Amino acid sequence: QMQLVESGGGVVQPGRSLRLSCAASGFTFSSYGIHWVRQAPGKGLEWVAVISKDGNSQYYADSVKGHFTISRDNSKNTVDLQMSSLRVEDTAVYYCAKKNGPTGGMDVWGQGTTVTVSS
Amino acid sequence: QSALTQPASVSGSPGQSITISCTGTSSDVGRYKYVSWYQQHPGRAPKLMIYDVSDRPSGVSNRFSGSKSGNTASLTISGLQAEDEGDYYCSSYTNTGTLVVFGGGTKLTVL
Repeated sequence: QMQLVESGGGVVQPGRSLRLSCAASGFTFSSYGIHWVRQAPGKGLEWVAVISKDGNSQYYADSVKGHFTISRDNSKNTVDLQMSSLRVEDTAVYYCAKKNGPTGGMDVWGQGTTVTVSS
Repeated sequence: QSALTQPASVSGSPGQSITISCTGTSSDVGRYKYVSWYQQHPGRAPKLMIYDVSDRPSGVSNRFSGSKSGNTASLTISGLQAEDEGDYYCSSYTNTGTLVVFGGGTKLTVL
């Protein structure tokens, strides 16, 4: 079945960097865009970034633009989120989600990985 | 402050119908047909319930339906069941620079 598995979360000090990874299986990875969505403790969902199926287009939320970078490797079926200059407000569970074809929906989600930014 | 506005909470009794609204602007909900709804249970990942305003993914109950009028989208759940309790989020494409926006979420309580 279609599956996404995130990894790379942890506790990091403000200003440091962290790289999250999302591994896909069960579908033709190179045919779909992939989103990252985060959820701060006790808060709602916040869209973070998306990368197109071929990796040539990326879009970011204003809150992360310039300090997060999304990339993908279609030979490894993975999408990464490089997070730099981390801030306390970046603390959240980070989910990767598969784009539902040409629509705006996200039809397959990972279980999430927790990032805690704290001194 | 979220880009899309949802009521903080709604409630209903088993068997009843409820509707959750999602109000945006002419830059997002009013502009695109790409409105989606997600259900989230505590400690779990979100689940897609509706996409493209009113389409249901396979496996989602036909008790869930979506619609849109102007800048406001709506999710209706008919025949409420205890398992429907949880948080519901709407999302939409937007032309404001960021590509996707979410609503603040609505907590559904089944009485």
